[in-house]
Amino acid sequence: GAVVSQHPSWVICKSGTSVKIECRSLDFQATTMFWYRQFPKQSLMLMATSNEGSKATYEQGVEKDKFLINHASLTLSTLTVTSAHPEDSSFYICSAREGEASPLHFGNGTRLTVT
Amino acid sequence: GQNIDQPTEMTATEGAIVQINCTYQTSGFNGLFWYQQHAGEAPTFLSYNVLDGLEEKGRFSSFLSRSKGYSYLLLKELQMKDSASYLCAVMDSNYQLIWGAGTKLIIKP
Repeated sequence: GAVVSQHPSWVICKSGTSVKIECRSLDFQATTMFWYRQFPKQSLMLMATSNEGSKATYEQGVEKDKFLINHASLTLSTLTVTSAHPEDSSFYICSAREGEASPLHFGNGTRLTVT
Repeated sequence: GQNIDQPTEMTATEGAIVQINCTYQTSGFNGLFWYQQHAGEAPTFLSYNVLDGLEEKGRFSSFLSRSKGYSYLLLKELQMKDSASYLCAVMDSNYQLIWGAGTKLIIKP
């Protein structure tokens, strides 16, 4: 149980375009989903916390107008990287939990390359 | 401030046992998690401790002492596939996860 599906696994896009990443909890309802970014050989960095039906909470330094998060249902959250630039190239990972004290379960991640 | 400490890197031999320590100072405590992350992949959940003591799950065990702010992950009968980073994370009083920087475990034949 506790499977989180993330799509796409990898994407290459041109500078200035937008990319949407989907995160789905397949066998549980996730009131909260989290979006992380990880650069090579660095730690996970929390970007934002996404609550179903409300606005996402962004971490300091993360531009909310650039990284649009929508959590429309208890099983789906999306992250849209708008006007992507090469420095946005990274490994984006979503995670979800069923309840407050439940463990986070991660999607397989999306490797974004902006050319 | 909130802080999680774990060694940056450890090396062990195939078939042996290794213990990865984690100490923490957080605003409240609602549990400690261990995750495994292979290079280029997302983390996978290994264990959850909220009460003191040892939780055993196959070759992996995790221990917690809340009074000491201390946990360890014990890996037995090491296999080459256990080469990965091991992340310690603590859930604080607001149910937010505070992550350690991870311990890179290198297994040698």
